[in-house]
Order: sequence, then C-alpha cells, then structure tokens
Amino acid sequence: DTEVTQTPKHLVMGMTNKKSLKCEQHMGHRAMYWYKQKAKKPPELMFVYSYEKLSINESVPSRFSPECPNSSLLNLHLHALQPEDSALYLCASRTEKGPNEQFFGPGTRLTVL
Amino acid sequence: KNQVEQSPQSLIILEGKNCTLQCNYTVSPFSNLRWYKQDTGRGPVSLTIMTFSENTKSNGRYTATLDADTKQSSLHITASQLSDSASYICVVSARSGGYNKLIFGAGTRLAVHP
Repeated sequence: DTEVTQTPKHLVMGMTNKKSLKCEQHMGHRAMYWYKQKAKKPPELMFVYSYEKLSINESVPSRFSPECPNSSLLNLHLHALQPEDSALYLCASRTEKGPNEQFFGPGTRLTVL
Repeated sequence: KNQVEQSPQSLIILEGKNCTLQCNYTVSPFSNLRWYKQDTGRGPVSLTIMTFSENTKSNGRYTATLDADTKQSSLHITASQLSDSASYICVVSARSGGYNKLIFGAGTRLAVHP
C-alpha cells in the first residue's frame, strides 16, 4: 500500500457544527502533516506529527484540533469554523529514508456555510 | 527569506508540443527540490525529487534539471497530452531544527489544448 487516503472527499458544515477529517497511511511513515490549500494558492502547513506527537503547530486557530491516535491515523477535528476556513485540506506522510519525500492524500474539500 | 518563484504563472500549449517550466529559489540550507503535479481539487503527486548532487532526473515524459549554483530548476514536458493539464508546483526542502520544512512555489498552471 503506497498511498495516503483521506475521508470524506467533500464536507459541508455549518459554523456551529463539529466534524472530523480523517487521514490514513500504511506505509510505515512516522511523520504526518496537515495542510490547508485555498484555490490557486500553494498548500500552507498547519500541523506536523512525528512519532504520534505534535511537533509543529503553525499558529493554527484552536477551532482546528489535530489528533494522532496511532502511527497510521491522523485526524483533524473541526469546531466553530468560519466561512473563510473553506478550503482543500491535505494530509501528507513522509518517508524517513532517502530524501524524506512527502506523499500527499487526495484532500478533503471543506465548505463552511 | 526562503522563497520559491515559478514562471510562467500559466501556460497554454497544443497537444503534442513540448514545454519547459522554470523554478528559481532562495532557500537555505537546501535539502532537496521536488516537482509535484496537482490536478484541480486533488492532492499533489510527486514527479521528481532531486538532492544537491543531482543535475537531472526523468520520470517518463517529465525531465527535471537542477543547477545548485544558480539555484534554478526546470521541468521539461515532452510530447504533451491533454492529461498533463494541471498545476505544477516546485517545492524546495530546507533543513531547519531537525525538520525538513517545505517551501512551496505558487505553481504554473498548464493547459494542454487539442
């Protein structure tokens, strides 16, 4: 298995809803990432997990809450989002051998109403 | 300041033609340079990854070059196909505090027309 999967593919939520994005990889990678990407812009790093521990938080608002239950899973819990949070949310995992290449998932398209 | 600049911003070519996309970077300390292809609304897919000592790397019809002295890279697409229509993103990895931080370019949007 050489891919990163993300669910759901699309999500529409109201500003008072609580929802979660899920990311899974079975490549044995021990570093996983969340990115946010607005239309026609490059991805922006949000969080980095290394060995199931949060190692980097790029000053992300607390309405985004990451969780890494085990080495294969990465969640992003969403609560009280704003319409400007609508974006493509990408998960990635990274090899630890060679040039440390990141593999991206297909993304979750989030719309906040 | 770590920066990656890509040109052109967008490009339209006819099917079967070749094209070259450019990437200039000011990133230190340099770790590696990657080219990704991203279809609209999808995650980026890696095309090539090159370290400091590599000058060229091919992946099918895609050939990337790297000049570490001038800090420039190019991605050459040969015999373009309609499915090549996508954004191509140059990403440079900088080693920082034991962590490889990715610096993304803004991308080149390529449209291949029949």
